[in-house]
Amino acid sequence: NAGVMQNPRHLVRRRGQEARLRCSPMKGHSHVYWYRQLPEEGLKFMVYLQKENIIDESGMPKERFSAEFPKEGPSILRIQQVVRGDSAAYFCASSPVGTNTGELFFGEGSRLTVL
Amino acid sequence: GQNIDQPTEMTATEGAIVQINCTYQTSGFNGLFWYQQHAGEAPTFLSYNVLDGLEEKGRFSSFLSRSKGYSYLLLKELQMKDSASYLCAVRSRGSQGNLIFGKGTKLSVKP
Repeated sequence: NAGVMQNPRHLVRRRGQEARLRCSPMKGHSHVYWYRQLPEEGLKFMVYLQKENIIDESGMPKERFSAEFPKEGPSILRIQQVVRGDSAAYFCASSPVGTNTGELFFGEGSRLTVL
Repeated sequence: GQNIDQPTEMTATEGAIVQINCTYQTSGFNGLFWYQQHAGEAPTFLSYNVLDGLEEKGRFSSFLSRSKGYSYLLLKELQMKDSASYLCAVRSRGSQGNLIFGKGTKLSVKP
């Protein structure tokens, strides 16, 4: 049973370009969470999605960032017009249902470097 | 709001026992999690506490006191491979499922 799959693992972009990060949850999981981790910092919650629905985006910056989880295919975190401060590791996690009991299963992360 | 505090770094000796503390403030507590994260890797689940008391799982144990807003992770018989960051995370009742993480405690195990 494959775990949470993220790609690309490493992404380099120049300022002003767009970054697209993809996440396929574990089989049977229908809930996806995106977190950002800066060097020497903790994981910061960004957004929680179910298929075709954004449940909680309270951690998402208001501009340039968007996320989706379509009916078919992976969840995508999109960062438009990237700036140097967007350089970070972006982790995706999934859970089987949106209950308040189960742990989150994390992917290996996508490391974005903005030049 | 929510606030989670844990020490930034700790050092311990191989074979010893180490306790990593975590204090939290949250509106409507609904579970505390500990994760391990090796440098450059994904966080992996270690333990979950929702009721007061001690949960033991092999060399790792986690304790929770809800009235004090306090938890600790206890690692016994330390091994070099236990060198990692240990992340304390809290789920609140109104969080819709997501976890709020502390900054993590970087543990270095020395021979």
